Amino acid sequence: GAGVSQSPSNKVTEKGKDVELRCDPISGHTALYWYRQSLGQGLEFLIYFQGNSAPDKSGLPSDRFSAERTGGSVSTLTIQRTQQEDSAVYLCASSQQGAGANVLTFGAGSRLTVL
Amino acid sequence: KQEVTQIPAALSVPEGENLVLNCSFTDSAIYNLQWFRQDPGKGLTSLLLIQSSQREQTSGRLNASLDKSSGRSTLYIAASQPGDSATYLCAVINDYKLSFGAGTTVTVRA
Repeated sequence: GAGVSQSPSNKVTEKGKDVELRCDPISGHTALYWYRQSLGQGLEFLIYFQGNSAPDKSGLPSDRFSAERTGGSVSTLTIQRTQQEDSAVYLCASSQQGAGANVLTFGAGSRLTVL
Repeated sequence: KQEVTQIPAALSVPEGENLVLNCSFTDSAIYNLQWFRQDPGKGLTSLLLIQSSQREQTSGRLNASLDKSSGRSTLYIAASQPGDSATYLCAVINDYKLSFGAGTTVTVRA
């Protein structure tokens, strides 16, 4: 597609429920990133994919968080047993190869609110 | 660990003034540096990408400089307009990972 698409744009859930956030990167972009932006905080790195592999998942806050990427394209970030501190905007970005020499393009984000 | 700092945290200027936004980083072994703009409730829009071998990059009214040895970058916005009101984020790229500053929130008063 022309840009990075994320869905849902807004998600309100109850504490303890599982949520899935989807990212559809720009066609042909092999690198995909998930970041989190909490209220009043900077952007926090979560995970990096190169193709379907995740060479760096060091930013995932706990084992309740997981992510996968299939077909070198769509990625899903799953949060199990959500907690109120998971409330944030989850941003996905993609680039050709790695971001070392290429512009990163971000999606509009998925705003998650855990009640 | 790369630490990125942006000063000031907020800036309010009258329309027409030039804007100067500062970014500093602790690890100078960077691949490149990218400036983004974020409007309230929106994602990030890339403004400029400066490769580590470059000293500056220009796009329209925007000019970004990079001094890798001192760990600094500056974003200049000439002749500011109310539409420039947004949060500006600096991101430093080491290998594949971006480290972000907390941003400078700019308000341009008409």
